Amino acid sequence: GAGVSQSPSNKVTEKGKDVELRCDPISGHTALYWYRQSLGQGLEFLIYFQGNSAPDKSGLPSDRFSAERTGGSVSTLTIQRTQQEDSAVYLCASSLKGGAPPSQPQHFGDGTRLSIL
Amino acid sequence: SQQGEEDPQALSIQEGENATMNCSYKTSINNLQWYRQNSGRGLVHLILIRSNEREKHSGRLRVTLDTSKKSSSLLITASRAADTASYFCATDPGAQKLVFGQGTRLTINP
Repeated sequence: GAGVSQSPSNKVTEKGKDVELRCDPISGHTALYWYRQSLGQGLEFLIYFQGNSAPDKSGLPSDRFSAERTGGSVSTLTIQRTQQEDSAVYLCASSLKGGAPPSQPQHFGDGTRLSIL
Repeated sequence: SQQGEEDPQALSIQEGENATMNCSYKTSINNLQWYRQNSGRGLVHLILIRSNEREKHSGRLRVTLDTSKKSSSLLITASRAADTASYFCATDPGAQKLVFGQGTRLTINP
């Protein structure tokens, strides 16, 4: 398909383990965003990539969270030493271009549901 | 605190009725966007309205923007069961990212 793809769709892991979440954006989209959504809540911005520029990491909640975007395409969000409060849905979105202000629609994947036991 | 806040938090109406959701925000914006999220899915972009626009239509959707009151409304006319979802507004209060509200959960009863 031509949409944003995220994997895995569900992840259950024990507290203290590391997890990697993957996002394949729409081909040709230069901007990529990661969000976190707790149950019944809105979206919390985590990180933003635009082309080859340095990412905006201002939303990452702690140094246990990191993200990479290789070759301007696929992105991986890594959470180290997971805690129970990390349980949430992690959503990835891409848009044709980024910049300020963000004037392009964002296209979302269906997210990864992360459960920390 | 959230830039955009939707009101009401939850709305339940009968099929065929109109649904109105409101969004208030705190700082000046360039654009405001509305998104829909079906249960267990990602968000889907519905409509973008620029700060110099007052009203915009897309099919059964009508969005208004009042920058003097820092508020926007989303009207869905002739609602259908398939409109059952959460609806979010998103604003751009500076920088290069959107800030989403907490959403309105809309239920359309058959």
